[in-house]
Amino acid sequence: GQQLNQSPQSMFIQEGEDVSMNCTSSSIFNTWLWYKQDPGEGPVLLIALYKAGELTSNGRLTAQFGITRKDSFLNISASIPSDVGIYFCAGPPNTGGFKTIFGAGTRLFVKA
Amino acid sequence: DAGVIQSPRHEVTEMGQEVTLRCKPISGHDYLFWYRQTMMRGLELLIYFNNNVPIDDSGMPEDRFSAKMPNASFSTLKIQPSEPRDSAVYFCASSLAAGNTEAFFGQGTRLTVV
Repeated sequence: GQQLNQSPQSMFIQEGEDVSMNCTSSSIFNTWLWYKQDPGEGPVLLIALYKAGELTSNGRLTAQFGITRKDSFLNISASIPSDVGIYFCAGPPNTGGFKTIFGAGTRLFVKA
Repeated sequence: DAGVIQSPRHEVTEMGQEVTLRCKPISGHDYLFWYRQTMMRGLELLIYFNNNVPIDDSGMPEDRFSAKMPNASFSTLKIQPSEPRDSAVYFCASSLAAGNTEAFFGQGTRLTVV
């Protein structure tokens, strides 16, 4: 079935640094969703992308929908300690239906 | 709105026992999803419902797992009999009509089977 591959698996950064992570698929996605999961909580949506080439920001976060529709990236600028968590890309496979599949996640650690 | 409510938050049970996880979706949401999260396999979709009807249960691991949604405000995920490899965090999520919009997750139930 369709899978989402996220990289890197984990990142250890210093507070204030910028972060970039990405997500790729072997097949086309029509929607890309980026979620963040804080420890002990469920994932929460950060950004949703619906159109190839779309670039969307949410505060210090910026995400882009790749023009091939097979990839997306998420950038975090000027990281802070509360950015710690797991970042997931997700989307509904273009095979139809309404289920959303998730990538394996990128674990972000921020050192103050 | 209180969001998606799951209970219990933590469950420890002995192998062979029946386990029932509960979920109350956000009022007005037509879709309900059950996910399982483990370190090895990440977030896996187990089953989802639309208007209380199961649509896709292809992610349910085996017959020991069953899910029901008797009405729009309640769903259960049952494991009978439970096994140690079922230990995971189980999430319930709900969303509005379209599947490509935001899914709202509960806080999860951490299940430990010993």
